Amino acid sequence: EAQVTQNPRYLITVTGKKLTVTCSQNMNHEYMSWYRQDPGLGLRQIYYSMNVEVTDKGDVPEGYKVSRKEKRNFPLILESPSPNQTSLYFCASMGQGALGYTFGSGTRLTVV
Amino acid sequence: KQEVTQIPAALSVPEGENLVLNCSFTDSAIYNLQWFRQDPGKGLTSLLLIQSSQREQTSGRLNASLDKSSGRSTLYIAASQPGDSATYLCAVGSGAGSYQLTFGKGTKLSVIP
Repeated sequence: EAQVTQNPRYLITVTGKKLTVTCSQNMNHEYMSWYRQDPGLGLRQIYYSMNVEVTDKGDVPEGYKVSRKEKRNFPLILESPSPNQTSLYFCASMGQGALGYTFGSGTRLTVV
Repeated sequence: KQEVTQIPAALSVPEGENLVLNCSFTDSAIYNLQWFRQDPGKGLTSLLLIQSSQREQTSGRLNASLDKSSGRSTLYIAASQPGDSATYLCAVGSGAGSYQLTFGKGTKLSVIP
């Protein structure tokens, strides 16, 4: 089944403790992206990647890092999480000729 | 910078009614427009994708239209059902390689039995 898989689904952590949210797609898509969703603000793009080793900032990149060493994986790294990064995070992918974007099921992150 | 607006923010209708959700965008230089459905606390489910060269797309009881020149799209839901209750998001694809998505804040739909 074609899908985008995020892990973990839920995560509670403490301020300053580094964490990684993984994202993997099995559709050989070139493009991958991370979004965060907050009440009243909607979905905002954090980082995106056009292909392996090609990444760029979205609208709200501060406090996040990404890497794209393999086509299928696009992890989101929070080096020193803060409470304002408490949010619902989504990974998405799209390839040339694909019928739209495919989103993962989301990761609900709470930073205390 | 592309901005996407969805009106209304919330909508409540009785079961069986036909309804229209609206989406407008500020920059008409788009590559595609996609409608999603999101259930509370869940992920996004793609409903319809309209390429910039298309005027509409249909899937079952759903029909989405696109008017690039006026910066508008509508999602028409026929014969609404309680299972249609969800938040509907409009997202516009623009920017490098047509892959960057800008989202509206959504319309929360409640279909009353």
